[in-house]
Amino acid sequence: GQQLNQSPQSMFIQEGEDVSMNCTSSSIFNTWLWYKQDPGEGPVLLIALYKAGELTSNGRLTAQFGITRKDSFLNISASIPSDVGIYFCAGKGAQKLVFGQGTRLTINP
Amino acid sequence: SQTIHQWPATLVQPVGSPLSLECTVEGTSNPNLYWYRQAAGRGLQLLFYSVGIGQISSEVPQNLSASRPQDRQFILSSKKLLLSDSGFYLCAWMGGGGREYTEAFFGQGTRLTVV
Repeated sequence: GQQLNQSPQSMFIQEGEDVSMNCTSSSIFNTWLWYKQDPGEGPVLLIALYKAGELTSNGRLTAQFGITRKDSFLNISASIPSDVGIYFCAGKGAQKLVFGQGTRLTINP
Repeated sequence: SQTIHQWPATLVQPVGSPLSLECTVEGTSNPNLYWYRQAAGRGLQLLFYSVGIGQISSEVPQNLSASRPQDRQFILSSKKLLLSDSGFYLCAWMGGGGREYTEAFFGQGTRLTVV
């Protein structure tokens, strides 16, 4: 099945550092979504992007919908221990919602 | 407000046994419904999606099937489980009817172990 290319696959950072991850696709999407998943739980929506070029913030999180509609990035500023988890991008086409492989974030205190 | 229920939370089944996982949504009508599978430490693989009652689209050939007998009910089934069916199964809903601004929301997942 179709998937998005999400990078990096994992990140090991110090508390307080900024984080950046991105997703690319060969297909155009009309919506990009970013999720965070804690162990044993379902993913929780962080940010939704609906328009090409859109830049949206949610607290320390900032995400952008690429102009070509084939990519998106997520930045986390001043990371804290509770940011640990797996982050997924998702692209929505007409009906389907496909996900990247995830970025596992580990924070050293 | 909308809620999504998925059960059971965990399941241990022998190889060759049948499977039925259920997902229901409250507080919305005509949602798009999705089943995903997640292997340990991996991404979410789309298995099935449905845009309406009785309408099922399969994304990957496999040992599983899906049904949508009611507008807000989505069922994942198997007649005979294989070891490779083990994983974390997630149900999700998204506003349907061609709505432009809509996000997907997930249930809590079912961890299936086939032994």
